[in-house]
Formats: sequence, structure tokens, C-alpha cells
Amino acid sequence: DAGVIQSPRHEVTEMGQEVTLRCKPISGHNSLFWYRQTMMRGLELLIYFNNNVPIDDSGMPEDRFSAKMPNASFSTLKIQPSEPRDSAVYFCASSLLWTGPQETQYFGPGTRLLVL
Amino acid sequence: AQKVTQAQTEISVVEKEDVTLDCVYETRDTTYYLFWYKQPPSGELVFLIRRNSFDEQNEISGRYSWNFQKSTSSFNFTITASQVVDSAVYFCALSEARGAQKLVFGQGTRLTINP
Repeated sequence: DAGVIQSPRHEVTEMGQEVTLRCKPISGHNSLFWYRQTMMRGLELLIYFNNNVPIDDSGMPEDRFSAKMPNASFSTLKIQPSEPRDSAVYFCASSLLWTGPQETQYFGPGTRLLVL
Repeated sequence: AQKVTQAQTEISVVEKEDVTLDCVYETRDTTYYLFWYKQPPSGELVFLIRRNSFDEQNEISGRYSWNFQKSTSSFNFTITASQVVDSAVYFCALSEARGAQKLVFGQGTRLTINP
């Protein structure tokens, strides 16, 4: 079975450019999460969706960040314009919604973003 | 507010030694869930175990075992007869029943197993 798929795996861009990260959740999962991992702040939840609907985006650092989930099998995290401090590893995770918090989140391989 | 503390930033042992990774958590909820994830050098996050707050039974899976103690708010992870392949960063995480699926991670413990 395919796990969570993320693309690209690595992204290098210049400050001010738009960056789009992509995620395909595990088939049948109906919750999707975006996390960011940095040395300073560790793993942080940015936003999550249930049944394609954004539930909590309180972790999104600022208006330069936006996320969408147009259907059950695809989500994007966009940064526009990008800044050097956005350099991090971005993880997507998915889980089943049935009973909520106890459902295990399964993570993708991550996208390593470097903004110069 | 929920919080997870992994006080051990780095641990280094020689292969075949037993090693315990500590995890202490804080929560006001009576129902919560604890997780351990492994992040090998390749970077992905691999799920290891989930524990419910109402189930204090310890768990063993091969060389891995977990000790959950509500009285001390701890969920420690022990690797027996460690191997070089166990080298990774290990994260403990917590979600609350009222926390609406938010998973809060500890800072991680970098474990190095030397041959």
C-alpha cells in the first residue's frame, strides 16, 4: 500500500518566489495535516483538514502561507512570497477521522525547502 | 496546555546495550493519547506505537518496549540489545481528546548506536 506521498522532496528557491508543496494522503484517509520541522521550533502543526475542510489553521505562521485541499486525494501548501526563515522540512500526514484524536497520523517523507 | 518533554537531547551507546528514552507529558485532559515516532537519518517519520490514557499496560514489540505510568506522567521507551539500525531521532507526542486531533511533539532524542 502506498503511504503518504509528497512532492517535491527537495526544493531550493530564491527569496520572494512562490513555493508550492504537494501531498497525496493515504487512500481512504479523511484527515490531512501539514507540519513544519525546524531546529529551533521542532515539529509544529500548521493546519489540518477533515473531509477536505480546513478545521484549524492557527499554526500557519502568517498570511504568506496558504493551504488547500480541493479533493480527498490532494492538498497543497503554498508560500508566497517565500523568505529565508521559511527554510524547513515540511511534512504532510494523514489519518482516519472516525474517532478523532486517537487515530494515528502517518507521515510522508517530507519536503526539504531551502529559501536563499 | 499540553506539553511533551524529552529531557535527553542526545544519547550515545555501544551496540547491544539497552537504552531508555524518557518522555514526560503534561495535560489537563483525562482522556489522551501518546505516541512514539522514529526519524531515521533518511528523514521520514515512522510511527512506532500509540497508547490510550485508560490503558496502562506496558507493551513489548520485539526489542522495543514501552512503560506508561500515569502517576508520573511518563511514557518511556526502551530498546533492548540496541543495534546500529536503531540510530535515529525519536519523538514522543501527545494528543488530547478535547484537542481536536492536534498532535504535540517533544523536542526529540537523538540516539546514536556505535558499533
